Amino acid sequence: DAKTTQPNSMESNEEEPVHLPCNHSTISGTDYIHWYRQLPSQGPEYVIHGLTSNVNNRMASLAIAEDRKSSTLILHRATLRDAAVYYCILRGTNAGKSTFGDGTTLTVKP
Amino acid sequence: DTAVSQTPKYLVTQMGNDKSIKCEQNLGHDTMYWYKQDSKKFLKIMFSYNNKELIINETVPNRFSPKSPDKAHLNLHINSLELGDSAVYFCASSRGQHTGELFFGEGSRLTVL
Repeated sequence: DAKTTQPNSMESNEEEPVHLPCNHSTISGTDYIHWYRQLPSQGPEYVIHGLTSNVNNRMASLAIAEDRKSSTLILHRATLRDAAVYYCILRGTNAGKSTFGDGTTLTVKP
Repeated sequence: DTAVSQTPKYLVTQMGNDKSIKCEQNLGHDTMYWYKQDSKKFLKIMFSYNNKELIINETVPNRFSPKSPDKAHLNLHINSLELGDSAVYFCASSRGQHTGELFFGEGSRLTVL
């Protein structure tokens, strides 16, 4: 299965941008990069996904490296409600079971 | 309408009992999953069904038996419950086996005493 690597934890101040990195050096050409987040006591929720180009939606932006071996989830203005565990996974025919790693626990300080 | 709903949300039972958790999705998705999240918060896939066919069966004790009566439902039955089965179980669905976002239910917290 294609694996992803993320830092265990990150901190941010409220209303500041947050850049959450993810490495996926074994990504194959048809794998999509997906990001999910899990708020306390809830199920994971979809945030954003992309293939090659950078993507924006109402929740976040996704910046994908040119070689696709890494990506960064960008929260433009962190709020206290963004405190969660953020997971980066690969989905595609060659990505196998879309395994969730340990994720990054984001703490947002007021 | 909740996209992926699972019941019950909480389940407390004694060791050795048999219990079931039900999951339904109203998204018209072809693929459904069961994940287990233990106390360390690792989210591990257990099973995946595509159009009622089992496609992923991770190293899970055969006390766990998934059943998919139709592609909108994936139930999880657990026999002879053990202390180590205590966890939060999440159901999820996606458009296809390898495509589309994963939509998760709210989780079912199982506590085995």
